[in-house]
Amino acid sequence: NAGVTQTPKFRVLKTGQSMTLLCAQDMNHEYMYWYRQDPGMGLRLIHYSVGEGTTAKGEVPDGYNVSRLKKQNFLLGLESAAPSQTSVYFCASSRGLYGGQETQYFGPGTRLLVL
Amino acid sequence: KQEVTQIPAALSVPEGENLVLNCSFTDSAIYNLQWFRQDPGKGLTSLLLIQSSQREQTSGRLNASLDKSSGRSTLYIAASQPGDSATYLCAYRGVSGSTPLVFGKGTRLSVIA
Repeated sequence: NAGVTQTPKFRVLKTGQSMTLLCAQDMNHEYMYWYRQDPGMGLRLIHYSVGEGTTAKGEVPDGYNVSRLKKQNFLLGLESAAPSQTSVYFCASSRGLYGGQETQYFGPGTRLLVL
Repeated sequence: KQEVTQIPAALSVPEGENLVLNCSFTDSAIYNLQWFRQDPGKGLTSLLLIQSSQREQTSGRLNASLDKSSGRSTLYIAASQPGDSATYLCAYRGVSGSTPLVFGKGTRLSVIA
């Protein structure tokens, strides 16, 4: 049982380049989340998904797109990377939002540097 | 906008000491509050989740309490060990709205042997 995995672990991009971060979970969770973590800012929610084929915006969605074509995968895309998107990106999943199902399980993170 | 504050930002204690980490939130309409641990360069690990109807939760040497009226939660760590060294984050979930969690910036704990 791998839990939540993220690919890649580290990436360097040039301004304007695009990339996709992949998150996979093997716990059959309905909910998946993408966060970014920056020094002095804490963890902020970018986008989340309440099930296959559905996505919703979080606190800082601008410059990012997401897709949830399969229940176990949640993709985060940067169409035109900017230095302000240099951060550590975390994916998480949970069974639900209520009734004791809210515990979120986190992946190990992806460090992204945009030059 | 909901704000979650954690004080202190950093804490250093000798091994064996009991300690308390603080988390405060501005909106008392809370659904639940979670405490997480984050080791350097790693993801977050959930420690305890307290529902709004609960006063406290315990797991081993950890005890988390919730006081809705004062907008505070505390994480008590008994008999601290060097292995407890990590950053501890609290996360608030409100009754209203669908955004899952709002995180504090964390308290970085160092337990010195």
